[in-house]
Amino acid sequence: EVQLVESGGGLVQPGGSLRLSCAASGLTFSSYWMSWLRQAPGKGLEWVANIKRDGSEEYYVDSVKGRFTISRDNAKNSLYLQMNSLRAEDTAVYYCATKYFEYWGQGTLVTVSS
Amino acid sequence: DIQMTQSPSSLSASVGDRVTITCRASQDIRNDLGWYQQKPGKAPKRLIYAASSLQSGVPSRFSGSGSGTEFTLTISSLQPEDFATYYCLQHNDYPWTFGQGTKVEIK
Repeated sequence: EVQLVESGGGLVQPGGSLRLSCAASGLTFSSYWMSWLRQAPGKGLEWVANIKRDGSEEYYVDSVKGRFTISRDNAKNSLYLQMNSLRAEDTAVYYCATKYFEYWGQGTLVTVSS
Repeated sequence: DIQMTQSPSSLSASVGDRVTITCRASQDIRNDLGWYQQKPGKAPKRLIYAASSLQSGVPSRFSGSGSGTEFTLTISSLQPEDFATYYCLQHNDYPWTFGQGTKVEIK
């Protein structure tokens, strides 16, 4: 059974940083492009970032470019999202998923507030 | 950016009804489209990929059609467990974009 488990969410002040992690099991992690998505409270889904199987390519939505960094460690079957210069509008549940979103984690809530 | 216009934003239907949801892309996306179902407090679930291919394990009452700029998700006979919010997603070009969602409610 494929499992993706996010962690690292929480309350952070505007301008602060947070690092999300996603632990994968039940799949050959290194064979999958991976993604981060988010959903603000009561709002729709937003794709955030993708990373290639070997980490050599990254893509981001414009609103997070220069502030967020997606990365992975295939030896640890783990995906990461480093979030810097956080803003109130980054408040959302963050999901990790395989590239075409056939598998999802349960999500982790990030709240940016003073 | 490719805009995905999804309609309707909400609908009320009864068990057994046929339901159709439409997504229109602002430019040709070939068949690079998926449909997702989300229930409150849960992660979304993929129903359809490549515009018309049924995800393994998804009931056959769900179907997708279309290519280019016009896409449709059809539920042939609505079941109680189908009341949820549905989203389309284009992955033809970055940034990937979702439709605004369609909330399917009980009439």
